[in-house]
Amino acid sequence: NAGVMQNPRHLVRRRGQEARLRCSPMKGHSHVYWYRQLPEEGLKFMVYLQKENIIDESGMPKERFSAEFPKEGPSILRIQQVVRGDSAAYFCASSPGQGRASPLHFGNGTRLTVT
Amino acid sequence: DQQVKQNSPSLSVQEGRISILNCDYTNSMFDYFLWYKKYPAEGPTFLISISSIKDKNEDGRFTVFLNKSAKHLSLHIVPSQPGDSAVYFCAARNSGNTPLVFGKGTRLSVIA
Repeated sequence: NAGVMQNPRHLVRRRGQEARLRCSPMKGHSHVYWYRQLPEEGLKFMVYLQKENIIDESGMPKERFSAEFPKEGPSILRIQQVVRGDSAAYFCASSPGQGRASPLHFGNGTRLTVT
Repeated sequence: DQQVKQNSPSLSVQEGRISILNCDYTNSMFDYFLWYKKYPAEGPTFLISISSIKDKNEDGRFTVFLNKSAKHLSLHIVPSQPGDSAVYFCAARNSGNTPLVFGKGTRLSVIA
């Protein structure tokens, strides 16, 4: 019973390159959330997706960042033209459905370093 | 504007004693609260939760207390064990599938 799988675990990119972060939710989970953790900070919500739909992207920067969760395959968080300030740990979480009683299950994160 | 605040960045407790981690929130619409535990290089793992209709929820060594009038919750761990050493995040949400809002975390060190 695999948990939330994120890859890669570590990603190094030079300024101006693109970063693609992947997340496969737990089996049976159709809701995916992306969070970002800057050093010494808490987790900040970025985007919430269901299959083929973005439900809430209120935490996503307006430029350079995009997310998708296609019908088949993992959810992708894409950062174009990365800058040093994008260096952070990016966590994906999934839940089986709506409602307060569905705690989020997190993956182990992707640590992005922009040089 | 931080809606969930954990004002103690760190806490040290001796093994066998009680650990008390505190959390304050400002959004009165929050009605569900969770605690997550995080080890280095791992993702947060769900620990315990409480609904706003309760003031206490207990699960083994872990108890969460909610004081709605003070907008305050706390996590009690007793007895504390060295394996409890981790960063603990408080999180909150309101009704529906709104995203969880996290505090900055408290690093707990349990000393043997």
